[in-house]
Amino acid sequence: KNEVEQSPQNLTAQEGEFITINCSYSVGISALHWLQQHPGGGIVSLFMLSSGKKKHGRLIATINIQEKHSSLHITASHPRDSAVYICAVLNTGNQFYFGTGTSLTVIP
Amino acid sequence: GAGVSQSPSNKVTEKGKDVELRCDPISGHTALYWYRQSLGQGLEFLIYFQGNSAPDKSGLPSDRFSAERTGGSVSTLTIQRTQQEDSAVYLCASSPRGGIIGENIQYFGAGTRLSVL
Repeated sequence: KNEVEQSPQNLTAQEGEFITINCSYSVGISALHWLQQHPGGGIVSLFMLSSGKKKHGRLIATINIQEKHSSLHITASHPRDSAVYICAVLNTGNQFYFGTGTSLTVIP
Repeated sequence: GAGVSQSPSNKVTEKGKDVELRCDPISGHTALYWYRQSLGQGLEFLIYFQGNSAPDKSGLPSDRFSAERTGGSVSTLTIQRTQQEDSAVYLCASSPRGGIIGENIQYFGAGTRLSVL
């Protein structure tokens, strides 16, 4: 069993739809990252959070420490949001664990 | 430059040779991370520096891998006696503080694509 589980693995949405990607983890963490990897391979760190909720533009990330769960939401999705979204956690021993990613395709 | 810079962008080497990968973090960032992504695999954490010290080396896959950081800035990742399974994209990231101290975004470089023939 992986320490970090993401769902869904693949997601196709119509432009404008509200999207949710989920991440569950089994280790005690000090922080959780959401990363975005574009088809060309470039990786952008979207959020790093340890509690509550963060918002940046159309992206919202939430985390529930008690339930060991985080969600990444995209409002008013756009084709340029098409990418792989990766959840990564930093445990209390400073070790990273990565989810296998969610491949998102937004259709015009 | 304003971002994290990695060099070379591409490296092709023969099995058994040593390679050095370089990362220039954003000026003033104290934390530096190395990851790799093998074909079809997820991101794999390798090592993390806070200043010049490496609190966590547990991700290094074997003793052929080593990394150092001097002056709290540039870092080099060295792979000795490369094997074909070392072929991957090696990514470097930096953040202002990092580790368990605070909430910091990591800024990624474009990566070095290593191919071991």
